[in-house]
Amino acid sequence: AQTVTQSQPEMSVQEAETVTLSCTYDTSESNYYLFWYKQPPSRQMILVIRQEAYKQQNATENRFSVNFQKAAKSFSLKISDSQLGDTAMYFCASNFGNEKLTFGTGTRLTIIP
Amino acid sequence: NAGVTQTPKFQVLKTGQSMTLQCAQDMNHEYMSWYRQDPGMGLRLIHYSVGAGITDQGEVPNGYNVSRSTTEDFPLRLLSAAPSQTSVYFCASSYSLDSPQHFGDGTRLSIL
Repeated sequence: AQTVTQSQPEMSVQEAETVTLSCTYDTSESNYYLFWYKQPPSRQMILVIRQEAYKQQNATENRFSVNFQKAAKSFSLKISDSQLGDTAMYFCASNFGNEKLTFGTGTRLTIIP
Repeated sequence: NAGVTQTPKFQVLKTGQSMTLQCAQDMNHEYMSWYRQDPGMGLRLIHYSVGAGITDQGEVPNGYNVSRSTTEDFPLRLLSAAPSQTSVYFCASSYSLDSPQHFGDGTRLSIL
């Protein structure tokens, strides 16, 4: 079965610090995409960053970057210089090479002023 | 550009009632999906479509029907509502397999 696992249900960090959210997955596919989505209290699902599995270079988007380890099937999200607006649920997801998106159970991140 | 529009935003139903959750996108996306979000379980795929006239089941399809008569619209029908269907429902669309999905704002549905 193709699965996405987020083992940290909740995390908190002081404002301006760096935090890393963990995600592991299981698949036999070699070509797929990985995503991190953010869900603030407004309930919107917002794409944070995506990674193509065949690219070795880690994706970055401003303060957000990933550590993609394909052999270990690991896809962690690093948030640098955390801000109060980063408080949200964060979901890791993958399409595993098809048209369906599989999500992890999420990590609730709280940024403390 | 409206993106993905879901209606209604909130709904309360009684057990056994039927209803349709509407989803429309104006981005000419071929791929559309319905998810439900329950506490502690992330988002789970209910049904999806890869184009007009083509639909398929996801992880949790029981109790739901979909149709895709046009590229723009992808309604989700609850045939006979049950309390277990109390959830937040999200519709999403994407241009292709490898492009990110765009989500609607969700519908909070309560079944009494």
